[in-house]
Amino acid sequence: DIVMTQSPDSLAVSLGERATINCKSSQSVLSTSNNQNYLVWYQQKQGQPPKLLIYWASTRDSGVPDRFSGSGSGTDFTLTISSLQAEDVAVYYCQQYYSSPRTFGQGTKVEIK
Amino acid sequence: EVQLVESGGGLVQPGGSLRLSCAASGFIFSGPYMHWVRQAPGKGLEWVGRIRNKANGYTTEYAASVKGRFTISRDDSKNSLYLQMNSLKTEDTAVYYCGRENYYVDVWGKGTTVTVSS
Repeated sequence: DIVMTQSPDSLAVSLGERATINCKSSQSVLSTSNNQNYLVWYQQKQGQPPKLLIYWASTRDSGVPDRFSGSGSGTDFTLTISSLQAEDVAVYYCQQYYSSPRTFGQGTKVEIK
Repeated sequence: EVQLVESGGGLVQPGGSLRLSCAASGFIFSGPYMHWVRQAPGKGLEWVGRIRNKANGYTTEYAASVKGRFTISRDDSKNSLYLQMNSLKTEDTAVYYCGRENYYVDVWGKGTTVTVSS
C-alpha cells in the first residue's frame, strides 16, 4: 500500500498570509504512461463532506479560487493557499489514486492565527 | 445538478449487519466507477472500496479493514450504489460517504452515519 504522510498536522496562519501543506507518498504516483501525477487535494469544512480542490496534483477544479495551487511530482507534493481567507479554515487531505487501496494523508488542519 | 444521497445509516449492535444506499442523479450513473469512503468521529478519511462499471465486470476492491465483511454492489437500473456491511465492529462507527470516480472522486454525497454499539 502507498502511505501518504502530510505535514504539518495543523497550522495557524494570519489572514492574508500564505499557508503551505506538504504531502509525501511512500512510492511514486507519477505515471510514466501519461506523465501525470495521480494525486488529489480535498478540503473538508466542519460537518461537511470533502470538496475537490485540485487533481492531477496541480489542476484546480472548476470554481476553486486561484489562491489555491498544487505543485510537486513523484513523491513530494504541496498545496499552497497564497492569501488565507477566513473561509479557508478547514482540514485538507491529499489522496493518491495511482493504485488501490486509495490512501489518504492524515489531514492538515488550517486555522486563523 | 449532479447529486449523491446516502441513506440507511443507524445504530446497530456489534456483529450485526446494515445496508447503506446511495442514490445518484444528474449524470449517467452506469458509466462511472463508484466509491465508498468513511470517516470515524474526529478522525481522517478512510477509503472503503469501489466498484467498476458493467463494461469492467462490476468488479470490486476493498480496504483490508473491511475485506470479507463489506460488499459493494450497484443497480444501474435504479441509479443506486450499495454497501452491505456484515459482522460490524465498534471501529466501523463512522460517517459513510459515497463518491463518483473520474479517476479521482469528484462528487461526494453528504454522508450517512453508522454507529456500532451495544
